[in-house]
Parts: sequence; structure tokens; C-alpha cells
Amino acid sequence: AQSVTQLGSHVSVSEGALVLLRCNYSSSVPPYLFWYVQYPNQGLQLLLKYTTGATLVKGINGFEAEFKKSETSFHLTKPSAHMSDAAEYFCALTGGGNKLTFGTGTQLKVEL
Amino acid sequence: NAGVMQNPRHLVRRRGQEARLRCSPMKGHSHVYWYRQLPEEGLKFMVYLQKENIIDESGMPKERFSAEFPKEGPSILRIQQVVRGDSAAYFCASSPETNSNQPQHFGDGTRLSIL
Repeated sequence: AQSVTQLGSHVSVSEGALVLLRCNYSSSVPPYLFWYVQYPNQGLQLLLKYTTGATLVKGINGFEAEFKKSETSFHLTKPSAHMSDAAEYFCALTGGGNKLTFGTGTQLKVEL
Repeated sequence: NAGVMQNPRHLVRRRGQEARLRCSPMKGHSHVYWYRQLPEEGLKFMVYLQKENIIDESGMPKERFSAEFPKEGPSILRIQQVVRGDSAAYFCASSPETNSNQPQHFGDGTRLSIL
């Protein structure tokens, strides 16, 4: 069985500050991990994915995430927040199948 | 726009009516997934289909819900005799291959409201 836990349903940062969104997972098989972003009334857009190889993954819009097997984590970071980053972010995984298992999401608020 | 197309974007039904949600996958994609997003929750997997086949329906409610992906035309998620608890956003995603490392591409969803 797989599960994804996102710590903090709401995160607020100042514009220009570091963004850190936390994701921990549980999987009985080596997982493939994804971060998606959802803007209001829209679908999910892929930010980045980890499958195999390099554990530091770079994505779109300046985001990156690091896969840490020993900590079962896949935290999302961005060095400097922009107002346009305000959205909901979902961590997800697949493992041993095709269906995505999602965390409950983190709403990111960016303040001036 | 060659992305995943869902229609309608918004659907209002009265209790007891039927709801039909449509999804056209991205060009070249033969795998379709349906997810449901309830308020304040993440997306929950419902069903995974390939052309004319249901591959995994482990997330589908046992009653009133069905899905199909015919040889021609869009995938359809059908909800019979809708109840208030069916109110949610329903998202369709598609992918080109069977490898689970292939990212799924999502449509903008259908927001179903039950009166």
C-alpha cells in the first residue's frame, strides 16, 4: 500500500523568501514521485517528477525537489517566492501500478 | 490546444438524475484515468481505462458509477441517481504508455453540483 503525507495544509511566505513544502511517503515498492500545482478552477500541472537516477530534480518555474530515501521524503523548494506561485501544491506517487496516490495538498500563499 | 479536454466544465443536476462527464485524452494517449476531488481533500483515484478495457476500477464506488472508453470517442464517467455526496470536481488524466513513471496530464475538470 502507498500513502503520501503533506505536512501543513497552508503555508504562507513573503515574496522573495524561500518556499519549502513538505512531502513524506510510504511505499512497499520503489516509488515514482511527482509534484503537481493546481491554480483555481484549473486542472493539475506537472511541476517535476522523480523516477530513477539523480535525487535532486529540477522542475518548471524554478522549483526543485530532493528524493531522500532514508527519510522517505520528497520536499519541494524554491529559493525565492513570486506572487504567481500562489496556488495549491500536490505531492503524489505511483508504485507498482499506474494510479496516482495524492497527498491532501498544501495551499501556498505569497504575501508582499 | 492538444491537451486533455473535459466537458462540461460545470454540471448541475438534481438528486436522482444522471450525470455524464466526458474526457478526450491528449493526442496519442491511449490511457485514461479518472480522479475525484472532494472539498478540502486531495484527488482520489477512481478508475483506469485503456481503449475498450477497464484496467483498474478499485477506486470506483460499487453502485451508481460506471466508466467506459470506447474505441471511438471520448471516455465517459457516468453517475446514475446522483446524491448530494457526489458533488465534487472530477478530473480526467491521460498518459501515452503503461509505464508508471510516465506523468499523467490532467484536464481542467468537471465541477458537479447536486441540488
